[in-house]
Amino acid sequence: DVKVTQSSRYLVKRTGEKVFLECVQDMDHENMFWYRQDPGLGLRLIYFSYDVKMKEKGDIPEGYSVSREKKERFSLILESASTNQTSMYLCAINLAGSTDTQYFGPGTRLTVL
Amino acid sequence: SQQGEEDPQALSIQEGENATMNCSYKTSINNLQWYRQNSGRGLVHLILIRSNEREKHSGRLRVTLDTSKKSSSLLITASRAADTASYFCATELGGTYKYIFGTGTRLKVLA
Repeated sequence: DVKVTQSSRYLVKRTGEKVFLECVQDMDHENMFWYRQDPGLGLRLIYFSYDVKMKEKGDIPEGYSVSREKKERFSLILESASTNQTSMYLCAINLAGSTDTQYFGPGTRLTVL
Repeated sequence: SQQGEEDPQALSIQEGENATMNCSYKTSINNLQWYRQNSGRGLVHLILIRSNEREKHSGRLRVTLDTSKKSSSLLITASRAADTASYFCATELGGTYKYIFGTGTRLKVLA
């Protein structure tokens, strides 16, 4: 079974704090994705990575950065958290060269006060 | 409207009934996928249909795809209370590795 883990299920931070959300996979998959999910807006792609140290912007990258130093780990960074970044964050993976199934982590519900 | 819009937004049925959800999209696709999300959790892949397929089955799930109308439907037969969840369609935009998800249909199955 594919396993995708996220560092926290729930997180509460203050405005202006630097926030790290981590995603770890155990399947040696190349492609990793970060989404945010908001009511009425569905899932929106923030960033994705197709290899170590490689990244591409998604549809809403503003206010976020990412880091992929090792194949199994993809981090989402909020340099200075703002209240409009309160959301559910979902990490997903799939096989390189595949546009098929995405495997999702359990999600991190982030609240920025 | 967004690529991958589901319809209806919410659906409430009795256990044992069939549930049908629809998805419309705008651009050419390689495949269309359906996912389920239980409250507050990640998404789970249910079924994938490729652009050259018209219908696919998996257990109690039946998916159809009409590329001329840019639409898909997901049918869950003999629904159970455990099917209560949100259902999303996702389209992959031609080799970009970018998936576009819709806003989902919230299904409630009453016991």
